[in-house]
Amino acid sequence: QVQLVQSGAEVKKPGASVKVSCKASGYTFTSYDINWVRQATGQGLEWMGWMNPNSGNTGYAQKFQGRVTMTRNTSISTAYMELSSLRSEDTAVYYCARGYIAAAGVPWGQGTLVTVSS
Amino acid sequence: EIVLTQSPGTLSLSPGERATLSCRASQSVSSSYLAWYQQKPGQAPRLLIYGASSRATGIPDRFSGSGSGTDFTLTISRLEPEDFAVYYCQQYGSFWTFGQGTKVEIK
Repeated sequence: QVQLVQSGAEVKKPGASVKVSCKASGYTFTSYDINWVRQATGQGLEWMGWMNPNSGNTGYAQKFQGRVTMTRNTSISTAYMELSSLRSEDTAVYYCARGYIAAAGVPWGQGTLVTVSS
Repeated sequence: EIVLTQSPGTLSLSPGERATLSCRASQSVSSSYLAWYQQKPGQAPRLLIYGASSRATGIPDRFSGSGSGTDFTLTISRLEPEDFAVYYCQQYGSFWTFGQGTKVEIK
């Protein structure tokens, strides 16, 4: 079955960077976009950007422009999201989600908690 | 950027009652690329409705979506105990954006 499995929780200091991975299985990785969404505790869903795993093309939400980089390694069907210059407000659960929205549903990763604290 | 505004913020209802959730977009959502998700604590969101009114596979028919342009509605005809959760609308016609969510809680 289609699965997205993310890397484990991270604790970072302010100003550092974090790189979260998202490994896809059960489908052809290069056939569907990967989106990244984050959710602070008790808050709503915030879209960060997307990546086309086939071309490597990306699009980022304006809020994250200059701080976020989305990449992939097609040989291991894995997408990555790197966020730099971390601040306490970046503490959140980060999700990857496949970009094709249709009857079969939208596969999401299990989420990765990133905690930014001095 | 398309901004989605959901109302109400919280809906307090009893099991068996009807729930009506609203989602308004700041500009027209192209081709009705509007989806609804359900999220429970500690879980990733689950797709309920896509294309404004189509149910995803396995979603009970008590969930229905309607609307077009800038105004969309999610209706739960008779609330079951497992339906108490947070619901988000999402537009996916121009990148993605989400509404701020509506919490459906037990009265």
